[in-house]
Amino acid sequence: KAGVTQTPRYLIKTRGQQVTLSCSPISGHRSVSWYQQTPGQGLQFLFEYFSETQRNKGNFPGRFSGRQFSNSRSEMNVSTLELGDSALYLCASSLEGLTNEKLFFGSGTQLSVL
Amino acid sequence: DQQVKQNSPSLSVQEGRISILNCDYTNSMFDYFLWYKKYPAEGPTFLISISSIKDKNEDGRFTVFLNKSAKHLSLHIVPSQPGDSAVYFCAASTFSGNTPLVFGKGTRLSVIA
Repeated sequence: KAGVTQTPRYLIKTRGQQVTLSCSPISGHRSVSWYQQTPGQGLQFLFEYFSETQRNKGNFPGRFSGRQFSNSRSEMNVSTLELGDSALYLCASSLEGLTNEKLFFGSGTQLSVL
Repeated sequence: DQQVKQNSPSLSVQEGRISILNCDYTNSMFDYFLWYKKYPAEGPTFLISISSIKDKNEDGRFTVFLNKSAKHLSLHIVPSQPGDSAVYFCAASTFSGNTPLVFGKGTRLSVIA
């Protein structure tokens, strides 16, 4: 089985721009979660999508948004980029998004905002 | 307010010795705990988990201990190997439902040959 695929691996943007990151989950997995990893804050939950619906949302501003398509692929968008948005963005998938399921993470997208 | 705390940012251990990584939590509703391991340029991978009905869970060289009264868990790696050098994240949630995992900031383990 192919793992979770995130594209692109690296991205450089300037303040004020917007960015879209993509995630393809493991085949058969219907839940996709997004996390932000920064050196100071560890992994912070952004949101979770299941069957094209946002089911959970973390404590991030509205500039961060996402969506999920019928094939379970997901995208997240960050608008009006700020320097503090520089981070590794990780996508994770699981079968049903239940807490007691293993999360399978992609390698992440490293976003640098200049 | 950090609900899951890993107070040691880094730890160095000699090969063959025991590595002990610690994690504290504040939310009494948490009853399911996990450890993930992360190598550079890769996503985290699941290592081991424990639910609050147990106080210990073993998987090969890895053992997780849970002390509910102290709201503390620890991951023991015995014996430590150079390939164990990675960042270890503690995570917590509720066992049932679909509550998102809350992660700690991670502890970087270096196993020295």
